Amino acid sequence: KAGVTQTPRYLIKTRGQQVTLSCSPISGHRSVSWYQQTPGQGLQFLFEYFSETQRNKGNFPGRFSGRQFSNSRSEMNVSTLELGDSALYLCASSFQGMETQYFGPGTRLLVL
Amino acid sequence: AQTVTQSQPEMSVQEAETVTLSCTYDTSESNYYLFWYKQPPSRQMILVIRQEAYKQQNATENRFSVNFQKAAKSFSLKISDSQLGDTAMYFCASLSNSGGSNYKLTFGKGTLLTVNP
Repeated sequence: KAGVTQTPRYLIKTRGQQVTLSCSPISGHRSVSWYQQTPGQGLQFLFEYFSETQRNKGNFPGRFSGRQFSNSRSEMNVSTLELGDSALYLCASSFQGMETQYFGPGTRLLVL
Repeated sequence: AQTVTQSQPEMSVQEAETVTLSCTYDTSESNYYLFWYKQPPSRQMILVIRQEAYKQQNATENRFSVNFQKAAKSFSLKISDSQLGDTAMYFCASLSNSGGSNYKLTFGKGTLLTVNP
């Protein structure tokens, strides 16, 4: 089976812009989770989607949003980018949620 | 709320030797899972080993094994016969279902392991 894929792998944006990141889970997996990784805060949970519904959300401002499509692919959007949004954004998939999560290669976002 | 603590920010080991990484966690849930992930310089997060809390037997995957002490809420990772390719950041993580369908991984801050030739 193909692993979790994320696009794009690298992004450079300027403050105030918005960005959309994409994640395709492992075939058959219906749960997709997003994490933000920064040197200062470490790995932080953003949100989790299952069957097109957001089931859980971390402690992030409303500028961070996401969605999931009927084929389980997921996107996350960050509006009005701030310098502090520079991070590695990791997507992980699992079958239904309470199992091992498998990670994609991540998207590195740099906000200038 | 879940918390995961890794008290060793950095460790080093000689090739072919054994090293143990420490992790403690705190959760009020009865059903949970514990994981060790490794993140090499490529930044790809790779599953190393998984432990179900309801299982008393410690998980083992080739050169990797855990010492799961449920009462002490301790979950250490032992790497035997260390190889240069084991050099990576290692994260301990817990997964539980709190309040229905709130599945999320909670990570420790990580331990940077360097294997020296």
